Amino acid sequence: LAKTTQPISMDSYEGQEVNITCSHNNIATNDYITWYQQFPSQGPRFIIQGYKTKVTNEVASLFIPADRKSSTLSLPRVSLSDTAVYYCLVGDAGGGNKLTFGTGTQLKVEL
Amino acid sequence: DAGVIQSPRHEVTEMGQEVTLRCKPISGHDYLFWYRQTMMRGLELLIYFNNNVPIDDSGMPEDRFSAKMPNASFSTLKIQPSEPRDSAVYFCASSGGWEQFFGPGTRLTVL
Repeated sequence: LAKTTQPISMDSYEGQEVNITCSHNNIATNDYITWYQQFPSQGPRFIIQGYKTKVTNEVASLFIPADRKSSTLSLPRVSLSDTAVYYCLVGDAGGGNKLTFGTGTQLKVEL
Repeated sequence: DAGVIQSPRHEVTEMGQEVTLRCKPISGHDYLFWYRQTMMRGLELLIYFNNNVPIDDSGMPEDRFSAKMPNASFSTLKIQPSEPRDSAVYFCASSGGWEQFFGPGTRLTVL
């Protein structure tokens, strides 16, 4: 499984756009990039997944450059409720994808 | 659907006692995963099942840990005998494809 590197923590203020970048230099051809979010005392939950270029849903956008060695999760206009740990994962998107969670990025949003 | 259901939500036991954690996956999902989360080690995959069959148990720390899935709607993770270092939050997740849906977790404290 490709190893990922992301910042340990980030701080932001309400209303700002937050970009969290993840490095995955050893990503394989079949690998997808997936982001999960975890609030305190809860299990992680899926945010977004992509293979290349840009993916957008109602929660976030995911930007993946052509070489796919990194990706950026973009959270528009964050609020206090976006304070959570964000995990970047890389792996085969097939059924039974064995997820390897790294340390994640602790995002803290303040007023 | 009620999502992944785990019980109990909290468990406090004494060293040497047997502990059984329970999980009911989302109906129709054919993959089930057991994770453990601690501050020191983060989120670790312990074992996962496909169609009730254990596929990969390489993350199970010791023989004291065992997991079963007698049918598609129920799984157990047992620790016998329990030790203080087993104290952690244990998550169950299920999947019908690439996205995993996590339960609320069981917080285990072994005194």
